[in-house]
Amino acid sequence: KAGVTQTPRYLIKTRGQQVTLSCSPISGHRSVSWYQQTPGQGLQFLFEYFSETQRNKGNFPGRFSGRQFSNSRSEMNVSTLELGDSALYLCASSSDRGRGYTFGSGTRLTVV
Amino acid sequence: QKEVEQDPGPLSVPEGAIVSLNCTYSNSAFQYFMWYRQYSRKGPELLMYTYSSGNKEDGRFTAQVDKSSKYISLFIRDSQPSDSATYLCAMSADSGGYQKVTFGTGTKLQVIP
Repeated sequence: KAGVTQTPRYLIKTRGQQVTLSCSPISGHRSVSWYQQTPGQGLQFLFEYFSETQRNKGNFPGRFSGRQFSNSRSEMNVSTLELGDSALYLCASSSDRGRGYTFGSGTRLTVV
Repeated sequence: QKEVEQDPGPLSVPEGAIVSLNCTYSNSAFQYFMWYRQYSRKGPELLMYTYSSGNKEDGRFTAQVDKSSKYISLFIRDSQPSDSATYLCAMSADSGGYQKVTFGTGTKLQVIP
């Protein structure tokens, strides 16, 4: 059974640019959540999508957005990148009311 | 104050030792409790999942939940160098029919051969 796939694994972007990250969940999982992980703050919740609808959102500015497609694949977008956006971005999928998440390996974003 | 508090460590133990990792929380609505292990440059992987109070054992790992004290623990028996990783506690409560998960900041564990 394939796991959660995130692409790309690494990204280097310049301040002010925008970036799109992709996540393919485990087959059959309809819930996809996104987290930002930094050494100082740990895992911080960005948003969750279920059946193409955002049903929960964390406390991040509007520069962070996401969407989910009919095949449950999800993308997140960060516009007008800032140095502080440098982090590991993790995608996690779960079956509805499932027992915990399965995480991908993440996309490491560096903003210079 | 954070909803979930976890000592960041690092925690260094000799191979074979019993390791105790702990989290405290403030939200009494939390019902589901999880432990994740994260190796360097990898995403977290689910180790243990428990519902409400009590103990759960899986091989060398035992998870304990004390809801009255708002305290959860993960014990690792006969620790191995391959257990060296960051351990994250996580907990969730039903929120409008789905679960919202809150993570601790993680404890870095090093098992020395």
